[in-house]
Amino acid sequence: GAGVSQTPSNKVTEKGKYVELRCDPISGHTALYWYRQSLGQGPEFLIYFQGTGAADDSGLPNDRFFAVRPEGSVSTLKIQRTERGDSAVYLCASSPEGGGILTGELFFGEGSRLTVL
Amino acid sequence: GEDVEQSLFLSVREGDSSVINCTYTDSSSTYLYWYKQEPGAGLQLLTYIFSNMDMKQDQRLTVLLNKKDKHLSLRIADTQTGDSAIYFCAERTGTASKLTFGTGTRLQVTL
Repeated sequence: GAGVSQTPSNKVTEKGKYVELRCDPISGHTALYWYRQSLGQGPEFLIYFQGTGAADDSGLPNDRFFAVRPEGSVSTLKIQRTERGDSAVYLCASSPEGGGILTGELFFGEGSRLTVL
Repeated sequence: GEDVEQSLFLSVREGDSSVINCTYTDSSSTYLYWYKQEPGAGLQLLTYIFSNMDMKQDQRLTVLLNKKDKHLSLRIADTQTGDSAIYFCAERTGTASKLTFGTGTRLQVTL
Protein backbone atom coordinates (compact mmCIF):
# COMPACT_ATOMS: atom_id res chain seq x y z
CA GLY A 1 0.00 0.00 0.00
CA ALA A 2 0.94 3.64 -0.24
CA GLY A 3 0.79 4.46 3.45
CA VAL A 4 2.16 3.12 6.72
CA SER A 5 0.42 -0.14 7.57
CA GLN A 6 0.03 -1.44 11.12
CA THR A 7 -1.28 -4.79 12.27
CA PRO A 8 -3.26 -5.78 14.16
CA SER A 9 -5.56 -2.78 14.31
CA ASN A 10 -6.94 -4.08 17.60
CA LYS A 11 -5.44 -6.48 20.11
CA VAL A 12 -7.01 -7.61 23.37
CA THR A 13 -4.82 -9.63 25.67
CA GLU A 14 -4.61 -10.70 29.29
CA LYS A 15 -2.22 -9.35 31.86
CA GLY A 16 1.08 -11.16 31.74
CA LYS A 17 0.87 -12.20 28.09
CA TYR A 18 3.33 -11.42 25.31
CA VAL A 19 2.30 -9.16 22.41
CA GLU A 20 3.81 -8.27 19.05
CA LEU A 21 2.74 -5.29 16.98
CA ARG A 22 3.86 -4.93 13.38
CA CYS A 23 4.59 -1.87 11.27
CA ASP A 24 5.15 -1.79 7.52
CA PRO A 25 6.50 1.67 6.60
CA ILE A 26 6.18 3.53 3.33
CA SER A 27 8.46 1.92 0.76
CA GLY A 28 11.85 3.59 0.66
CA HIS A 29 11.51 5.36 4.02
CA THR A 30 14.64 4.69 6.03
CA ALA A 31 13.50 6.25 9.31
CA LEU A 32 10.87 4.49 11.43
CA TYR A 33 9.37 5.60 14.73
CA TRP A 34 7.16 4.04 17.38
CA TYR A 35 4.96 6.25 19.54
CA ARG A 36 2.40 5.40 22.20
CA GLN A 37 -0.81 7.36 22.63
CA SER A 38 -2.83 6.93 25.80
CA LEU A 39 -6.44 8.07 26.00
CA GLY A 40 -6.71 11.84 25.96
CA GLN A 41 -2.98 12.33 25.51
CA GLY A 42 -0.63 13.21 22.72
CA PRO A 43 1.72 10.63 21.22
CA GLU A 44 4.77 9.81 23.34
CA PHE A 45 8.01 8.81 21.68
CA LEU A 46 9.22 5.25 22.22
CA ILE A 47 11.98 4.41 19.74
CA TYR A 48 13.48 5.53 16.43
CA PHE A 49 15.22 3.38 13.79
CA GLN A 50 17.49 4.63 11.08
CA GLY A 51 17.79 1.64 8.77
CA THR A 52 18.18 -1.53 10.81
CA GLY A 53 19.58 0.03 13.96
CA ALA A 54 17.80 1.68 16.85
CA ALA A 55 19.24 5.20 16.81
CA ASP A 56 17.29 6.35 19.86
CA ASP A 57 15.42 4.06 22.26
CA SER A 58 15.23 6.53 25.13
CA GLY A 59 11.44 6.48 25.18
CA LEU A 60 11.01 2.78 25.90
CA PRO A 61 9.45 2.75 29.39
CA ASN A 62 11.21 -0.37 30.69
CA ASP A 63 12.87 -3.58 29.61
CA ARG A 64 9.55 -5.28 28.89
CA PHE A 65 9.45 -3.26 25.67
CA PHE A 66 11.66 -4.12 22.72
CA ALA A 67 11.57 -3.35 19.00
CA VAL A 68 13.38 -4.74 15.98
CA ARG A 69 13.76 -3.87 12.34
CA PRO A 70 16.00 -6.64 11.00
CA GLU A 71 15.94 -5.78 7.30
CA GLY A 72 15.46 -2.03 7.53
CA SER A 73 11.84 -2.14 6.47
CA VAL A 74 9.16 -3.86 8.60
CA SER A 75 9.43 -3.32 12.34
CA THR A 76 7.97 -5.28 15.25
CA LEU A 77 7.30 -3.83 18.69
CA LYS A 78 7.38 -6.55 21.34
CA ILE A 79 5.89 -6.23 24.80
CA GLN A 80 6.56 -8.92 27.40
CA ARG A 81 4.51 -9.60 30.53
CA THR A 82 1.91 -7.03 29.57
CA GLU A 83 0.34 -4.87 32.27
CA ARG A 84 -2.95 -2.99 32.30
CA GLY A 85 -1.03 0.27 32.09
CA ASP A 86 0.31 -0.79 28.68
CA SER A 87 -3.16 -0.29 27.20
CA ALA A 88 -2.88 2.42 24.56
CA VAL A 89 -2.76 3.00 20.83
CA TYR A 90 0.68 2.22 19.47
CA LEU A 91 1.51 4.41 16.50
CA CYS A 92 4.15 3.79 13.90
CA ALA A 93 5.51 6.50 11.63
CA SER A 94 8.09 6.63 8.88
CA SER A 95 9.93 9.38 7.07
CA PRO A 96 12.24 9.54 4.06
CA GLU A 97 15.90 10.26 4.40
CA GLY A 98 16.90 13.90 3.91
CA GLY A 99 14.03 16.34 3.69
CA GLY A 100 11.65 14.39 5.83
CA ILE A 101 14.12 14.07 8.62
CA LEU A 102 15.21 17.69 8.38
CA THR A 103 11.69 19.07 8.51
CA GLY A 104 10.42 16.42 10.89
CA GLU A 105 7.47 15.34 8.77
CA LEU A 106 6.36 11.94 9.93
CA PHE A 107 3.86 9.78 8.06
CA PHE A 108 1.76 7.94 10.61
CA GLY A 109 -0.14 4.69 10.41
CA GLU A 110 -3.59 4.32 11.94
CA GLY A 111 -2.21 2.60 14.99
CA SER A 112 -2.67 -0.65 16.86
CA ARG A 113 -5.03 -0.39 19.80
CA LEU A 114 -3.81 -2.61 22.63
CA THR A 115 -6.13 -3.48 25.51
CA VAL A 116 -4.71 -5.43 28.43
CA LEU A 117 -7.39 -6.96 30.65
CA GLY B 1 12.95 19.43 29.97
CA GLU B 2 10.40 19.30 27.19
CA ASP B 3 6.75 20.03 27.85
CA VAL B 4 4.09 21.09 25.38
CA GLU B 5 0.69 22.29 26.55
CA GLN B 6 -2.58 22.95 24.76
CA SER B 7 -6.14 23.71 25.75
CA LEU B 8 -8.36 20.64 25.47
CA PHE B 9 -11.34 21.87 23.51
CA LEU B 10 -12.44 24.59 21.10
CA SER B 11 -15.85 25.06 19.52
CA VAL B 12 -16.42 27.41 16.58
CA ARG B 13 -19.18 28.04 14.08
CA GLU B 14 -18.74 27.13 10.46
CA GLY B 15 -17.25 30.04 8.53
CA ASP B 16 -15.60 31.61 11.58
CA SER B 17 -11.87 31.58 12.25
CA SER B 18 -10.39 29.10 14.72
CA VAL B 19 -7.30 29.82 16.79
CA ILE B 20 -5.59 26.94 18.54
CA ASN B 21 -2.85 27.80 21.00
CA CYS B 22 0.17 25.93 22.28
CA THR B 23 2.96 26.69 24.73
CA TYR B 24 6.25 24.92 24.98
CA THR B 25 9.12 25.07 27.41
CA ASP B 26 12.24 24.13 25.48
CA SER B 27 13.81 27.31 24.13
CA SER B 28 16.17 25.32 21.90
CA SER B 29 13.33 23.98 19.74
CA THR B 30 14.31 24.08 16.08
CA TYR B 31 11.04 23.20 14.39
CA LEU B 32 7.45 23.39 15.60
CA TYR B 33 4.61 21.50 13.98
CA TRP B 34 0.87 21.20 13.76
CA TYR B 35 -0.56 17.74 13.18
CA LYS B 36 -4.23 16.84 12.66
CA GLN B 37 -5.85 13.62 13.84
CA GLU B 38 -9.24 12.62 12.52
CA PRO B 39 -11.24 9.72 14.01
CA GLY B 40 -9.91 6.38 12.82
CA ALA B 41 -7.04 7.94 10.92
CA GLY B 42 -3.37 8.50 11.56
CA LEU B 43 -1.86 11.86 12.41
CA GLN B 44 -1.30 14.07 9.40
CA LEU B 45 1.17 16.94 9.21
CA LEU B 46 -0.62 20.20 8.49
CA THR B 47 2.24 22.66 8.59
CA TYR B 48 5.49 23.44 10.34
CA ILE B 49 7.56 26.50 11.14
CA PHE B 50 11.27 26.90 11.65
CA SER B 51 12.23 28.61 14.87
CA ASN B 52 13.82 31.64 13.16
CA MET B 53 10.46 32.55 11.61
CA ASP B 54 7.60 34.29 13.35
CA MET B 55 4.85 33.64 10.85
CA LYS B 56 3.98 31.20 8.11
CA GLN B 57 0.88 31.22 5.92
CA ASP B 58 -0.38 28.30 3.89
CA GLN B 59 -3.79 28.78 2.26
CA ARG B 60 -6.33 28.86 5.13
CA LEU B 61 -3.69 28.17 7.76
CA THR B 62 -1.60 30.80 9.54
CA VAL B 63 1.03 29.83 12.08
CA LEU B 64 2.35 32.44 14.51
CA LEU B 65 5.41 31.84 16.65
CA ASN B 66 6.40 33.99 19.63
CA LYS B 67 9.78 32.67 20.71
CA LYS B 68 10.08 35.06 23.63
CA ASP B 69 6.89 33.70 25.21
CA LYS B 70 7.36 30.19 23.75
CA HIS B 71 3.87 30.41 22.26
CA LEU B 72 2.68 28.88 19.01
CA SER B 73 -0.73 29.33 17.44
CA LEU B 74 -2.60 27.92 14.47
CA ARG B 75 -5.30 30.01 12.86
CA ILE B 76 -7.74 28.33 10.48
CA ALA B 77 -9.68 30.80 8.35
CA ASP B 78 -13.23 30.04 7.20
CA THR B 79 -13.44 26.92 9.37
CA GLN B 80 -15.39 24.06 7.79
CA THR B 81 -17.06 21.00 9.32
CA GLY B 82 -14.30 18.92 7.74
CA ASP B 83 -11.83 20.71 9.99
CA SER B 84 -13.34 18.98 13.03
CA ALA B 85 -10.51 16.90 14.48
CA ILE B 86 -7.87 16.88 17.20
CA TYR B 87 -4.95 19.21 16.56
CA PHE B 88 -1.55 18.51 18.08
CA CYS B 89 1.37 20.87 18.27
CA ALA B 90 4.80 19.29 18.49
CA GLU B 91 8.35 20.48 18.90
CA ARG B 92 11.67 19.18 17.74
CA THR B 93 14.85 20.15 19.57
CA GLY B 94 18.26 20.34 17.92
CA THR B 95 19.08 17.32 15.85
CA ALA B 96 16.98 15.03 17.99
CA SER B 97 14.94 12.64 15.94
CA LYS B 98 11.94 12.61 18.21
CA LEU B 99 9.04 15.01 18.35
CA THR B 100 7.39 15.98 21.62
CA PHE B 101 3.65 16.34 21.20
CA GLY B 102 1.14 18.34 23.17
CA THR B 103 -2.01 16.79 24.61
CA GLY B 104 -4.11 17.89 21.64
CA THR B 105 -6.99 20.33 21.15
CA ARG B 106 -10.30 18.95 19.99
CA LEU B 107 -11.86 21.34 17.48
CA GLN B 108 -15.61 21.10 17.09
CA VAL B 109 -17.20 22.98 14.19
CA THR B 110 -20.90 23.65 14.50
CA LEU B 111 -23.37 24.72 11.82
